[in-house]
Amino acid sequence: EPEVTQTPSHQVTQMGQEVILRCVPISNHLYFYWYRQILGQKVEFLVSFYNNEISEKSEIFDDQFSVERPDGSNFTLKIRSTKLEDSAMYFCASTTILLETQYFGPGTRLLVL
Amino acid sequence: GESVGLHLPTLSVQEGDNSIINCAYSNSASDYFIWYKQESGKGPQFIIDIRSNMDKRQGQRVTVLLNKTVKHLSLQIAATQPGDSAVYFCAELGSGAGSYQLTFGKGTKLSVIP
Repeated sequence: EPEVTQTPSHQVTQMGQEVILRCVPISNHLYFYWYRQILGQKVEFLVSFYNNEISEKSEIFDDQFSVERPDGSNFTLKIRSTKLEDSAMYFCASTTILLETQYFGPGTRLLVL
Repeated sequence: GESVGLHLPTLSVQEGDNSIINCAYSNSASDYFIWYKQESGKGPQFIIDIRSNMDKRQGQRVTVLLNKTVKHLSLQIAATQPGDSAVYFCAELGSGAGSYQLTFGKGTKLSVIP
């Protein structure tokens, strides 16, 4: 069964450093998403991406964040200058069409020291 | 703003019993609802979904009920098993202005007692 994959599973970084989180969505999916989950809290929407551009972003997704689909398979989330409060689980999700189930990857646990 | 929330943060159930997890939503324009299961250290896993034009949908051992009158969603798990222990989230897929982001509730932790 096809699934969303994410790398790395864990990432530890110093405050102010750049990190890139990688995702490989399900191959025939067209819509891609990043969500985050701070420990003990609910999952929060960050950004949606379709047709090589951002379709929607939340207030969390400020200028420090960017997304990219550099090739036909990868979907990345970059945080340019990490802050302590960026520590969270980051989940990638994808779906075939709008108003359909979004399938989530296993997540990357980011720890900013 | 409008949000999705859960009535009960924790639920303990005896193995073999049925479980019912509840969720309230406030956006009457929502078209689509999904229940996800999240095990410790893992991503949300799709369980079952329901569209706003339906009242009930059944899967394998799971049933989702939607009451649009009172904006209430529930997940019923039949014959609960230890492997069902996890946090369960309801999520609402927003509509309007092309907004199809998922809005999650806080989650209910289900503990199955062997």
